[in-house]
Order: sequence, then structure tokens, then C-alpha cells
Amino acid sequence: QQPVQSPQAVILREGEDAVINCSSSKALYSVHWYRQKHGEAPVFLMILLKGGEQKGHDKISASFNEKKQQSSLYLTASQLSYSGTYFCGTEGASGAGSYQLTFGKGTKLSVIP
Amino acid sequence: DTGVSQDPRHKITKRGQNVTFRCDPISEHNRLYWYRQTLGQGPEFLTYFQNEAQLEKSRLLSDRFSAERPKGSFSTLEIQRTEQGDSAMYLCASSWGNWLTFGSGTRLTVV
Repeated sequence: QQPVQSPQAVILREGEDAVINCSSSKALYSVHWYRQKHGEAPVFLMILLKGGEQKGHDKISASFNEKKQQSSLYLTASQLSYSGTYFCGTEGASGAGSYQLTFGKGTKLSVIP
Repeated sequence: DTGVSQDPRHKITKRGQNVTFRCDPISEHNRLYWYRQTLGQGPEFLTYFQNEAQLEKSRLLSDRFSAERPKGSFSTLEIQRTEQGDSAMYLCASSWGNWLTFGSGTRLTVV
């Protein structure tokens, strides 16, 4: 089942903060976050694993509530370069570690001066 | 590290024709993935390889789709008898077990 992302779109002014949510109806092993700019490949941001381990960039933070099968991506002090579509990709327990991800429909983030 | 390369970048084909795409992963990556992305959607998993072995294929994937990864290096994705519904961006990604590095994709248009 495809995870549900919210909001679908958000517009920020430089320096503002944003939170993007990802919710799944199935038990998850991991949540992956990617950012895709128009016409470009998705770029890795963060992995959150069951049990609390995280891998990713220092300037981006995220949380993973295993019991609720939810993850949130926190973007603070936004910059123009943060603009793009953010996707969460989820991995169920059955395929743990295989990175067969089911992606949400994305959240389009626009940062304006 | 030159990243994940995909060829061609764009392909326009007539309905019913066969097409083949190529992906060259990052050289030290043992895993290779194919995803498909349509407008307004996230990438959709198609299949993946560990070295030369194809370990998983999406149940949603038609039998018209086949992928190979000879010798565990580059990979090809072939679509036979293309249909208009096959029009999409086909993304290749590679990994050595940490995260996926995506290529820029091959955009297929079936007319």
C-alpha cells in the first residue's frame, strides 16, 4: 500500500520551517526520504530504521514512530535550494534491507525569497 | 564515481514496437534497481538485482517487461510490444546497501 504524504504542497518564505508527514497502513522496517527537483533524479536525504538508527544529512532531521507507522521530515530555516518534491519511500518487514521501496505521491515544496 | 548513467535520455516509439534501455550503475555497487515514475507520482518499484541475480520483480509488472544484468555490471530493461500506458520515466538506481543513488532516467513516450 502506498504511503500517504501530507501536505501535498507547501509554499515557504526563506528562513521559515516546514514539516512533511508520511503515514503507512502497514508495519514498516524503514522509511527513506528523497528530494527531486524538476527534471532531475531523486536525491537521497535520510533513512530511518526500525529500532531508531538514522542515516542521512546533518542539516535535515526526521522522526519515525514505529507504532504509528508514521514519519516526519523537518526542514528548518529553509533556503531557496530546498525547493523540490519530497518523497517518502517505505519498506515493509518482509523485504527488510532489500530497498524495494513504495513511494508516496510526494510533497511539493516551494521556497520563495 | 561518475554516478548512475542511463541511456538513452529520451525515447519515442510507436505502439507495438520493442524498446531497450541501458543502465550503468556506480561501479562498486552490487545492487541495481529499476523504478518507473509517471507525472505526479513517486517512483514505482519494478525489479532489482544483487550482482547478476534478479531477486525480486513487482507482481504488477507485465510479462512484456524483462530485465537482465549480465556479469553483475550494467543492466538492460526491455519492453516488448509497447503500449501507450508504458509512457513514463524509467529510473535506474544502484546501492551497496546504504541508500539508493538514482540515475537521471530514460523518458519513454509511446505514440
